[in-house]
Amino acid sequence: DGGITQSPKYLFRKEGQNVTLSCEQNLNHDAMYWYRQDPGQGLRLIYYSQIVNDFQKGDIAEGYSVSREKKESFPLTVTSAQKNPTAFYLCASSYDRGSYNEQFFGPGTRLTVL
Amino acid sequence: GNSVTQMEGPVTLSEEAFLTINCTYTATGYPSLFWYVQYPGEGLQLLLKATKADDKGSNKGFEATYRKETTSFHLEKGSVQVSDSAVYFCALRKETSGSRLTFGEGTQLTVNP
Repeated sequence: DGGITQSPKYLFRKEGQNVTLSCEQNLNHDAMYWYRQDPGQGLRLIYYSQIVNDFQKGDIAEGYSVSREKKESFPLTVTSAQKNPTAFYLCASSYDRGSYNEQFFGPGTRLTVL
Repeated sequence: GNSVTQMEGPVTLSEEAFLTINCTYTATGYPSLFWYVQYPGEGLQLLLKATKADDKGSNKGFEATYRKETTSFHLEKGSVQVSDSAVYFCALRKETSGSRLTFGEGTQLTVNP
């Protein structure tokens, strides 16, 4: 089955540690996205990538880093520079052009920093 | 810049009640408009979309009409069920921004039996 997988579903880390969230898709989508969701604030875009080996900052990129070495994978690293990393993180992917470029979402990773 | 404004929640209804969740947008040109739904603990799923003025998107009994004159895309359902309890997000995509979306804040809907 085609889809987007995120792992793990729940993640706990100590303050000051970097942590990497996984996102994989087998939909052959060009573009991939990372969002952060906090209660009452909707979704905020962290980073996005429209093609392999290229990515752009979204609205809240500070304290995060990404890589796009393969079309299928777009891992997000939450660094110790992120002041308030506890949140629900959502990965999405889509075709980048044409009419059928709606975004498909993974199930999310809930990160808790202790 | 682009923005999407949704009615404030939470919204609580009884089963079989009529649902309206308001969504208005600010954008130049002719954006595409979307409604996504998020069930508890899950990612978002596309519910419906409309790509041009006067288009009506529909799915699972939900409908929304793209109104250019009022810059709105209100979500409606004639008779809600308990299983419709979720968070609903309105979003837009500008024609010049590829597939990047701008989301509203989300509206929590709870349907009681």
